[in-house]
Amino acid sequence: DAKTTQPNSMESNEEEPVHLPCNHSTISGTDYIHWYRQLPSQGPEYVIHGLTSNVNNRMASLAIAEDRKSSTLILHRATLRDAAVYYCILRPSNAGKSTFGDGTTLTVKP
Amino acid sequence: DAGITQSPRYKITETGRQVTLMCHQTWSHSYMFWYRQDLGHGLRLIYYSAAADITDKGEVPDGYVVSRSKTENFPLTLESATRSQTSVYFCASSVGTGVTEAFFGQGTRLTVV
Repeated sequence: DAKTTQPNSMESNEEEPVHLPCNHSTISGTDYIHWYRQLPSQGPEYVIHGLTSNVNNRMASLAIAEDRKSSTLILHRATLRDAAVYYCILRPSNAGKSTFGDGTTLTVKP
Repeated sequence: DAGITQSPRYKITETGRQVTLMCHQTWSHSYMFWYRQDLGHGLRLIYYSAAADITDKGEVPDGYVVSRSKTENFPLTLESATRSQTSVYFCASSVGTGVTEAFFGQGTRLTVV
């Protein structure tokens, strides 16, 4: 299964943009790039996903490199409620298996 | 209530006992998943199911049994609980594979003493 690599932790100031990177150099052509976040004592929550093109939704933007070996989750204006562990995972379009890494712990400072 | 629910939310059991964690979803999603999350770590896939009566192993299936006789339910059984199975267990569901997002339950915190 393809793996992802993320920094262990990142810090941001409130109301500033945050760019969370993810490397997935062994991604296959059928893998979708998904991002989830997990608040303390809660289950993971879906943020965004994409295949090749950049994606935007009300929560965030996803920028995918042209070779698809890396991606970046962009939170346009971080709030204190965005403090969480962010997971980048690969979900194949033709199978159910997907693997979580240890994620990036985002700290947002007021 | 609509969504995905897990029960119980907390469970303490003794080593060697059998324990079943329940997962129920109301969307009729085809795919369902069980993950475990050890303290300070990410989620590891235990088992998943593509449809009723179709299940497959994930990364860490040893010591666990699943069944899926109905689309909406996906129970996870620890046949003989061990202390190493102390963890938080999350159930998830999705309409399909990577094309669609997954929805997670609130988790079951299991302690084996």
